[in-house]
Amino acid sequence: QAVLTQPSSLSASPGASASLTCTLRSGINVGTYRIYWYQQKPGSPPQYLLRYMSDSDKQRGSGVPRRFSGSKDASANAGILLISGLQSEDEADFYCMIWHSSGWVFGGGTKLTVL
Amino acid sequence: EVQLVESGGGLVQPGRSLRLSCAASGFTFDDYAMHWVRQAPGKGLEWVSGITSHSGSIGYADSVKGRFTVSRDNAKNSLYLQMNSLRAEDTAFYYCSKAMCGDYEGCAFDIWGQGTMVTVSS
Repeated sequence: QAVLTQPSSLSASPGASASLTCTLRSGINVGTYRIYWYQQKPGSPPQYLLRYMSDSDKQRGSGVPRRFSGSKDASANAGILLISGLQSEDEADFYCMIWHSSGWVFGGGTKLTVL
Repeated sequence: EVQLVESGGGLVQPGRSLRLSCAASGFTFDDYAMHWVRQAPGKGLEWVSGITSHSGSIGYADSVKGRFTVSRDNAKNSLYLQMNSLRAEDTAFYYCSKAMCGDYEGCAFDIWGQGTMVTVSS
């Protein structure tokens, strides 16, 4: 079972909100991990969006709009990237990441389609 | 402007070696840890290696441990990845990335280069 599991795709309408999940493997408690999120558009390198540990320990990357925010769902053992007021330019692949067992681990990525 | 420029990619036969370089500018290079991250065509991201700001600590993904060696030259603002015993599964875009602090374990990466493509094939 992968350390981090993300849905392969998600579709949402312009102006709506999208909630992207990053589920940690059973036995790995989301409450103890800082979760990082990256956005990658076709033909470009990933861009850092934000990190989220708790409401008192979070950071948005430089220039990242406030429409992007992070949270956790302890009951689902998952990190969440919430994008509000979706725009066509938000269409991209999104990756979550944690530091685990002496290495950085990425989720498989979610392709977000805005249509 | 913070900039990372990778070079050294190309086509190489299985079992051979290749050395990637990353030239950094626009920030105080020796204040920050650095990483290599790769992405196979059409696939997701995979962390390859990280090195602290003054090379005191280094880490590798299990998939490359014993074959790849990361190093840096702070006087030249440069990061390197020596890749030996290359395999077909090493075929990927290789990105150089800057950490947000001097420790490669403690903080993630905020700035990425454009990447350099490595193709391992006979």
